[in-house]
Amino acid sequence: DAKTTQPPSMDCAEGRAANLPCNHSTISGNEYVYWYRQIHSQGPQYIIHGLKNNETNEMASLIITEDRKSSTLILPHATLRDTAVYYCIVRGSHTGGFKTIFGAGTRLFVKA
Amino acid sequence: DAGVTQSPTHLIKTRGQQVTLRCSPKSGHDTVSWYQQALGQGPQFIFQYYEEEERQRGNFPDRFSGHQFPNYSSELNVNALLLGDSALYLCASSSNLADTQYFGPGTRLTVL
Repeated sequence: DAKTTQPPSMDCAEGRAANLPCNHSTISGNEYVYWYRQIHSQGPQYIIHGLKNNETNEMASLIITEDRKSSTLILPHATLRDTAVYYCIVRGSHTGGFKTIFGAGTRLFVKA
Repeated sequence: DAGVTQSPTHLIKTRGQQVTLRCSPKSGHDTVSWYQQALGQGPQFIFQYYEEEERQRGNFPDRFSGHQFPNYSSELNVNALLLGDSALYLCASSSNLADTQYFGPGTRLTVL
């Protein structure tokens, strides 16, 4: 079962920031929050991940609430090429291995 | 530096047949995971291989089996194919059990 909840779809104007929310209220202490995106049946592309601190890289920023029950992925200046399905995932150790459970994701439409 | 590669890119089989899909991990990675993605859904975890052993398994029947070779490459085998096995099969590799996974482009399997 997916451990994250995301809105099914969102719109964003080109050039504006896209803020994608994710709820993970049952997250455990050793579980990381990961974000991937998938463009039209290609393999998912890694974006960013974090444990409890906010993170930033060349693609995006990840804001995790202090209680770690939710997070927001921020694409600071969305372009048309950012149109994709975005997956928020929690991932941690399970008896010798790591399961990664995807939910349905958020379909982001960036409009000109 | 080559990323994760998968072969073949597309495959058509008939019900009852058997299929083998192949994955070469990203350079420096030793852990491989396999996912099944049906149309319009998020990827579903099949299993994870590390040190040539299955370390974690998702909710898939025994018809789905795998193997990891000493060079860390991996195969996914599916026996007695069903129409419902039609999907995009994704391979992901990481530098160890816990680290970030990077996905390949996938193999599109169609069962007629």
